[in-house]
Amino acid sequence: DAKTTQPPSMDCAEGRAANLPCNHSTISGNEYVYWYRQIHSQGPQYIIHGLKNNETNEMASLIITEDRKSSTLILPHATLRDTAVYYCIVRVRGGSNYKLTFGKGTLLTVNP
Amino acid sequence: GAGVSQTPSNKVTEKGKYVELRCDPISGHTALYWYRQSLGQGPEFLIYFQGTGAADDSGLPNDRFFAVRPEGSVSTLKIQRTERGDSAVYLCASSPGTSLNTGELFFGEGSRLTVL
Repeated sequence: DAKTTQPPSMDCAEGRAANLPCNHSTISGNEYVYWYRQIHSQGPQYIIHGLKNNETNEMASLIITEDRKSSTLILPHATLRDTAVYYCIVRVRGGSNYKLTFGKGTLLTVNP
Repeated sequence: GAGVSQTPSNKVTEKGKYVELRCDPISGHTALYWYRQSLGQGPEFLIYFQGTGAADDSGLPNDRFFAVRPEGSVSTLKIQRTERGDSAVYLCASSPGTSLNTGELFFGEGSRLTVL
């Protein structure tokens, strides 16, 4: 699976949009971008995934560049409860083994 | 409950002892994963079960670690002769069978193991 690079930490004001970047310059054509987050003392939680089109769900939006070498996770109106470590993961979709390779992620701190 | 359940939530043991950690996946999920997370690090893959069989155990660090899933539901991670370096949070995740798989894993809250 392709390696990803994320900033170690970011800050965001409550109510503002949080934009979390991820670089995955070695991504292959059949690899998807997945985002998970981990709130302190909890297990990781799935947020969203995409291949090449932008995606949106009730939690977030995912913007993938045209060359697919980077992506941005957008939390449109961050709340204090969004403070967590956010992981960007690239992996092939298909088959049955959805083993994920986590990096260190980005610690997002939402400030009041 | 509807989520992945892990017990115990906390386990303190002495170096050299044997430990078992249990995972109860979401009902109907055929895939089950074990991960280990050390302080300040992301989760590290240990083993993956599809049904009763271990389809990928490439992440098990050594032969002191073993996991079973005899009936294709509950799984137990077993650690023999524990060492201080085994101290970590052990996370379990499950996912549906391939026909329903979007790539989303559902994680439990983990079992925190402390080896003194």
